[in-house]
Amino acid sequence: GQQVMQIPQYQHVQEGEDFTTYCNSSTTLSNIQWYKQRPGGHPVFLIQLVKSGEVKKQKRLTFQFGEAKKNSSLHITATQTTDVGTYFCAGRSSNTGKLIFGQGTTLQVKP
Amino acid sequence: NAGVTQTPKFRVLKTGQSMTLLCAQDMNHEYMYWYRQDPGMGLRLIHYSVGEGTTAKGEVPDGYNVSRLKKQNFLLGLESAAPSQTSVYFCASTYQGSVEAFFGQGTRLTVV
Repeated sequence: GQQVMQIPQYQHVQEGEDFTTYCNSSTTLSNIQWYKQRPGGHPVFLIQLVKSGEVKKQKRLTFQFGEAKKNSSLHITATQTTDVGTYFCAGRSSNTGKLIFGQGTTLQVKP
Repeated sequence: NAGVTQTPKFRVLKTGQSMTLLCAQDMNHEYMYWYRQDPGMGLRLIHYSVGEGTTAKGEVPDGYNVSRLKKQNFLLGLESAAPSQTSVYFCASTYQGSVEAFFGQGTRLTVV
């Protein structure tokens, strides 16, 4: 079945350093979504990528969708303590409607 | 407009007891999902529904049952709770084929 793998599982950075998390799917995705979960909270939608090779930016966050639509990345430039949390990618199957999440990358930022 | 509401927020069960978690959404979404979240495991899909009266198995369906009798409600049942079902449960909903999934606040379940 569809699997979405995400690496790394944890990342500790000094405030101001960059951060990247990678997402890989075992199957071609119709789209990929990214969510952020603050400690003790629930996942909150950040963005969706649909087109092959698509790149989107939200302030210091850059999201990329691979050419084969099987991988994606989230890059944060100059991390801040407010970036702390777990970042999830999620792939939706256009056939079944399933929404499968990666394991998440937990980001810790040292001030 | 409350979005996605989960009840209860916390529950402690004894092994073998049963319970039902309720998820309600007021956004007229077609798709609804139940996930469990465990440390280091991310969000794992238990069951999902693409419309009223239909349900399907996710990645980890064993030990759980679901029902979607009304479009706005998605129930998750544990017939005989086990300690391995100790987890945080999240419900989510979305429009068909749509963009973002909206999550409830979660239910923290402990089985002793």
